[in-house]
Amino acid sequence: DAGVTQSPTHLIKTRGQHVTLRCSPISGHKSVSWYQQVLGQGPQFIFQYYEKEERGRGNFPDRFSARQFPNYSSELNVNALLLGDSALYLCASSRTGTTNEKLFFGSGTQLSVL
Amino acid sequence: GENVEQHPSTLSVQEGDSAVIKCTYSDSASNYFPWYKQELGKGPQLIIDIRSNVGEKKDQRIAVTLNKTAKHFSLHITETQPEDSAVYFCAARDDKIIFGKGTRLHILP
Repeated sequence: DAGVTQSPTHLIKTRGQHVTLRCSPISGHKSVSWYQQVLGQGPQFIFQYYEKEERGRGNFPDRFSARQFPNYSSELNVNALLLGDSALYLCASSRTGTTNEKLFFGSGTQLSVL
Repeated sequence: GENVEQHPSTLSVQEGDSAVIKCTYSDSASNYFPWYKQELGKGPQLIIDIRSNVGEKKDQRIAVTLNKTAKHFSLHITETQPEDSAVYFCAARDDKIIFGKGTRLHILP
């Protein structure tokens, strides 16, 4: 079975541009969450979605938005990119997104903002 | 909100010896504590987890202990091997999951 897949793997943007990152969860998983991982730090929670509804949001500005589609895949959008948005963006999936569930991560999208 | 502290930031261990990584958390409502291993160019991979109603859990060479009163939990890797070299993250979860800053583990030949 395929794991969590993310696209693209690498992306280079300039300040002020917007970006869309994509994620496909493990088959049968209905919850997707997004994380930002800056070099040398642990992942930081951005959003969680379950059944197309936002279930949680981390401490990120409104420039960050996301959505989940009927097939449970998800997009993360970032507008008006800043240099500080350069990071590895990780997507994780789980069956229902409840507290004690195991999270399975994709390999991430490495975003560089110049 | 929750805060997770992880120590040490770097750990070098002779192959075959044991490695211990320690984490503390601040929110007593946290009830799920997973550990992840991240290799270069990959996403974090869950290696073991423990729930708040359990004090210890073991899976082959890996074990995790949890002290809810003191709000700390630890990862123990025995008989370390070269493939154990990676960055390890602890995390604590209530409604949101909060990660520590990671420990870079080097296994020395």
